[in-house]
Amino acid sequence: NAGVTQTPKFRILKIGQSMTLQCAQDMNHNYMYWYRQDPGMGLKLIYYSVGAGITDKGEVPNGYNVSRSTTEDFPLRLELAAPSQTSVYFCASSYPLGGNYGYTFGSGTRLTVV
Amino acid sequence: AQKITQTQPGMFVQEKEAVTLDCTYDTSDPSYGLFWYKQPSSGEMIFLIYQGSYDQQNATEGRYSLNFQKARKSANLVISASQLGDSAMYFCAMREQMDSSYKLIFGSGTRLLVRP
Repeated sequence: NAGVTQTPKFRILKIGQSMTLQCAQDMNHNYMYWYRQDPGMGLKLIYYSVGAGITDKGEVPNGYNVSRSTTEDFPLRLELAAPSQTSVYFCASSYPLGGNYGYTFGSGTRLTVV
Repeated sequence: AQKITQTQPGMFVQEKEAVTLDCTYDTSDPSYGLFWYKQPSSGEMIFLIYQGSYDQQNATEGRYSLNFQKARKSANLVISASQLGDSAMYFCAMREQMDSSYKLIFGSGTRLLVRP
């Protein structure tokens, strides 16, 4: 049982480049999330999805795009990378119902934009 | 406005003593959940404890307990008998329902250092 798998673990981008952060889960969770964590700060929600084909913006969506074509995968796309997007990115998944239905986090992607 | 507030950027505690990490929250949703996560220097997010808004009793998980004061909108984490391995960042988070979906919102964190 792999849980939530994020790739790559590390990446350096040049300003203006684009990339896709991959996230996959094998727990059949409906909900998936992308967060960013700036140094010394908490996690901020970028985008989330309640199921295949449905996505919505979080607190800090600018500069990012997402898609959810399958239950398992929730890639995050960065277009025209900027230094302000240097951060650690976490993907997470959960069941939709109340209670502690296990928000499972990936191990993170450390992105540096230079 | 901040939904989750952690007012202690950093805390020290002596090994084997108890420590309380503060968390206050703001929501108008009657149904919500409160979580605490630990983030060690390795970076992963480790779930510690959960409290539902309708739970009558404070949650406990081993050495972790959550002091839930609903009227004050506070959900403080208490770690008893601190260990050196408890040194980490600790995040309070709230799950609230918005429209037909749920979001998990985090506070800014408290860095705990356990002294030997």
